[in-house]
Amino acid sequence: EDQVTQSPEALRLQEGESSSLNCSYTVSGLRGLFWYRQDPGKGPEFLFTLYSAGEEKEKERLKATLTKKESFLHITAPKPEDSATYLCAVQANSGAGSYQLTFGKGTKLSVIP
Amino acid sequence: DVKVTQSSRYLVKRTGEKVFLECVQDMDHENMFWYRQDPGLGLRLIYFSYDVKMKEKGDIPEGYSVSREKKERFSLILESASTNQTSMYLCASRGSSPGNTIYFGEGSWLTVV
Repeated sequence: EDQVTQSPEALRLQEGESSSLNCSYTVSGLRGLFWYRQDPGKGPEFLFTLYSAGEEKEKERLKATLTKKESFLHITAPKPEDSATYLCAVQANSGAGSYQLTFGKGTKLSVIP
Repeated sequence: DVKVTQSSRYLVKRTGEKVFLECVQDMDHENMFWYRQDPGLGLRLIYFSYDVKMKEKGDIPEGYSVSREKKERFSLILESASTNQTSMYLCASRGSSPGNTIYFGEGSWLTVV
């Protein structure tokens, strides 16, 4: 069974204080690992897809990296507008998991001015 | 940009009512999904469809059914709403190529009283 564990559950940062969010996964062959941002009361907004170990992607203050067992979402010099819940999800290569995504429970990030 | 539109953002229904949640996507995507999201439980897949008139059960299909008569439209049906179906419901869509991104709608908040 595919599993995704995100840590920490919640993270409070001062504005400008860089940090990382972790996503550990077990999947029977990884097709893709996805990061989403979700604001309160809204649907998840796509950020990144990573396909293979060693891959990195960046967008503004966010950088996602991938190893064979986990992914990190690095946040550099965060601003209050980066406050949101960040979701990680995996898609498997085969079986039922190849159609759907298995999600972690998310990390709620709060950036204090 | 991909657009996934959920017709109702907020609904209040009575126990035992039949409830329809409608979702339309404008990107000619083959795959469509219904998730529910609850605090502490994350996103859980209810049903998905990989083609018109085709459907597959997700992790929590009990108490729900779906309909996909046209490629762009995917409906979630609660045959007899119960209070434990109070939740945020998220529709999503994706193209058929492996590893394609899943895009989400804004969500429908359903309260069953």
